[in-house]
Amino acid sequence: QPQLQESGPGLVKPSETLSVTCNVSGGSISTSDYYWGWIRQAPGKGLEWIGTIYYSGRTYYNPSLKSRVTLPVDTPKNQFSLKMTSVTAADTAVYYCARHKVYSNDFDYWGQGIPVTVSS
Amino acid sequence: QSALTQPASVSGSPGQSITISCTGTSSDVSGYNYVSWYQQYPGKAPKLIIYEVTNRPSGVSNRFSGSKSGSTASLTISGLQAEDEADYYCSSYRRSSTWVFGGGTKLTVL
Repeated sequence: QPQLQESGPGLVKPSETLSVTCNVSGGSISTSDYYWGWIRQAPGKGLEWIGTIYYSGRTYYNPSLKSRVTLPVDTPKNQFSLKMTSVTAADTAVYYCARHKVYSNDFDYWGQGIPVTVSS
Repeated sequence: QSALTQPASVSGSPGQSITISCTGTSSDVSGYNYVSWYQQYPGKAPKLIIYEVTNRPSGVSNRFSGSKSGSTASLTISGLQAEDEADYYCSSYRRSSTWVFGGGTKLTVL
């Protein structure tokens, strides 16, 4: 079974770019059966889907975040990333990466999450 | 993007059954059989417990079951146990290749 591990800075300044990477082991991200997604959870709040990428590079975004989010993928390194520009305190959250099944549209494996705080 | 609607909290005694509802629209819950449910303990990542409305992943207890009627999906937990105390989230595929979660429900085992 796959293992997903997020990495990146835990502190980002307002107006700067948040960048988090998900390293996948135990399986290739270059498979037609799965997407790879990002979900976040603000302190004390619920889950919010941010976006999803296919190994081909095709991307799907939450409309409310689309203007600030890009999802690069690095298939040789078996990694995918989240970049969010112009962050504010409202972007403070735990950021999770997850494997996202194409045919059943659920998130079956998750990383442990990485807390990111936006503060000066 | 509006979230699916879940009750903020539910509670039950050990051995009882509880049901958590998840209400959406024709653009998501009622339009597709792609409702999934997740269990989350404090400080931990969510865990998939139901997918495609009614299916359980391997290793998930058969005390967890899912259903759907119209725009409302439901998660039922039977034979409630103390270890079931957690937050529960529904999710659905939504039109135009997007996905949406519910606001979450905190289950308290009395």
